[in-house]
Amino acid sequence: GENVEQHPSTLSVQEGDSAVIKCTYSDSASNYFPWYKQELGKGPQLIIDIRSNVGEKKDQRIAVTLNKTAKHFSLHITETQPEDSAVYFCAATRSGVQGAQKLVFGQGTRLTINP
Amino acid sequence: NAGVMQNPRHLVRRRGQEARLRCSPMKGHSHVYWYRQLPEEGLKFMVYLQKENIIDESGMPKERFSAEFPKEGPSILRIQQVVRGDSAAYFCASSPPGLAGGLGAQYFGPGTRLTVL
Repeated sequence: GENVEQHPSTLSVQEGDSAVIKCTYSDSASNYFPWYKQELGKGPQLIIDIRSNVGEKKDQRIAVTLNKTAKHFSLHITETQPEDSAVYFCAATRSGVQGAQKLVFGQGTRLTINP
Repeated sequence: NAGVMQNPRHLVRRRGQEARLRCSPMKGHSHVYWYRQLPEEGLKFMVYLQKENIIDESGMPKERFSAEFPKEGPSILRIQQVVRGDSAAYFCASSPPGLAGGLGAQYFGPGTRLTVL
């Protein structure tokens, strides 16, 4: 089955700097890769996702890149702000196949933005 | 547009009791997923349901756990004879219908935090 590894487990950056979180996956059939932000005591919030037919996607200060050959994808946050502090999770799944919808999550990255 | 709703938000049970967690998907969504999150860990898939059907329960413990998504009403995750190891946050997610089992993103509810005394 799928296995997702996420690094680093903790990340501390100065406000205004960029943050990068990386994930690798094992199942070459995986084709959908979402990123979630989880604040303390809340449910995961979908912030951006990418499908395997696209190499990069950007939404304002957030971007995700996907390298299918190397089986890794990354989250990039630019111009970080204190409200970006949270735990971020990557995930992978084989979307579109009946019975194969389960998201496999990485272990999470605790991002702290220092003012 | 109401999001995924879960209740109760917090549930305390004594060992041996039953826990019943409810999830109402987003309007128009027909796929429901349950995940479990232990403290300081990622989310682990438990079960994937569509209306009146369990599609994938590969993440469900073989005993004491069951899930349903009836034609009417919310999805229910039931844990019988709870033990301390069941203490965790349980999250429900939903996604819209699509071809061959759903192509949509999964949107999560706020979770139910179960504490077993």
